[in-house]
Amino acid sequence: DAKTTQPPSMDCAEGRAANLPCNHSTISGNEYVYWYRQIHSQGPQYIIHGLKNNETNEMASLIITEDRKSSTLILPHATLRDTAVYYCIVRVGRETSGSRLTFGEGTQLTVNP
Amino acid sequence: EPEVTQTPSHQVTQMGQEVILRCVPISNHLYFYWYRQILGQKVEFLVSFYNNEISEKSEIFDDQFSVERPDGSNFTLKIRSTKLEDSAMYFCASIGTSGLYNEQFFGPGTRLTVL
Repeated sequence: DAKTTQPPSMDCAEGRAANLPCNHSTISGNEYVYWYRQIHSQGPQYIIHGLKNNETNEMASLIITEDRKSSTLILPHATLRDTAVYYCIVRVGRETSGSRLTFGEGTQLTVNP
Repeated sequence: EPEVTQTPSHQVTQMGQEVILRCVPISNHLYFYWYRQILGQKVEFLVSFYNNEISEKSEIFDDQFSVERPDGSNFTLKIRSTKLEDSAMYFCASIGTSGLYNEQFFGPGTRLTVL
């Protein structure tokens, strides 16, 4: 699975958009980009994933560059409850297994009042 | 909304003792996982389980560890002889029927403290 690079920390004002970047320059054509978050030692929580098209769900938007070497997770209106460590994970789905998630250090997002 | 549950939430044990961590995955899920997170460190994959057998395991998952799905609902992680360095949060996760690209649902974790 391709490696990812994320900034260790970011701050955001409550109510503003939080834009979390991720570099994955060695991504392969069959690898997806996933975002999870972990709120203070709770179990990681799935946010969104995509292959090459931009994706949006009720939690966030995922923007993937055309060359797929980087992506940005957007939380459109951050709240205090969005304070968490955000993980960008690149992985391929394997036919013979459910495919592990390989977590990096992630980005500690702090939403300030 | 269905969720993964784990028991106990906190387990304290003496070094050398056996512990069993329990998980109830979401009912129609087919792929099951254990991860651990030592305090202040990354979440690390331990093992994945599908069709009543281990499908993948990490180098952490040595002979001291075993997993089992003893009935249709529980998924357990056993540590035979605990060491101090096994102290960590242990997370169970599961994926639904298609498996390959779906999200993993994580439980709240069991905090294991080895004294």
